[in-house]
Amino acid sequence: KQEVTQIPAALSVPEGENLVLNCSFTDSAIYNLQWFRQDPGKGLTSLLLIQSSQREQTSGRLNASLDKSSGRSTLYIAASQPGDSATYLCAVRPGYGGSQGNLIFGKGTKLSVKP
Amino acid sequence: DTGVSQDPRHKITKRGQNVTFRCDPISEHNRLYWYRQTLGQGPEFLTYFQNEAQLEKSRLLSDRFSAERPKGSFSTLEIQRTEQGDSAMYLCASSPEAGWGSDEKLFFGSGTQLSVL
Repeated sequence: KQEVTQIPAALSVPEGENLVLNCSFTDSAIYNLQWFRQDPGKGLTSLLLIQSSQREQTSGRLNASLDKSSGRSTLYIAASQPGDSATYLCAVRPGYGGSQGNLIFGKGTKLSVKP
Repeated sequence: DTGVSQDPRHKITKRGQNVTFRCDPISEHNRLYWYRQTLGQGPEFLTYFQNEAQLEKSRLLSDRFSAERPKGSFSTLEIQRTEQGDSAMYLCASSPEAGWGSDEKLFFGSGTQLSVL
């Protein structure tokens, strides 16, 4: 059974700091991995999607890497801002079949960026 | 249409009552998903539609839950005889049909927060 773990559960940093969020998964047979952002009481916003054949994806100040063989992904946020404060969720789409939307999520990392 | 719309945003009900939620996906998206999220947890997959066909259901979707998408546009999720354990945020997401090997990003609504007293 695929399980997704995110460490740390919460993180507080001063504005301007670079930071790394970690995600691990137990079964390397994945189709893709996505990072989402969730603001309190709101839905999820997709940030980056990495296909299983890719090593990384970048969007602005965000960079996500994938090491499928070791079951790990990292989300790097450069020059953090207070507006980055949110919960960041990692999700994998299993490679064994099932619908494309049947994602397995971690519990998230709650990020707080202090001004 | 700027995104996935869910109604209501909040629902408080008494145990044993029936509730129904509605989701309007992004208009050109033919795929629609329901997820459930409890406090401090990631979302859990419930069910998936392609157009009007319900193609996949999670074991989490007990007999008290039913979802429909009658015309391949909006969808409803009904919970009968609600229990306190049903209290959660119910999230709807949609996506366009992606070609083989293409990205499939899900676009989520803001959710319906259900509280069963």
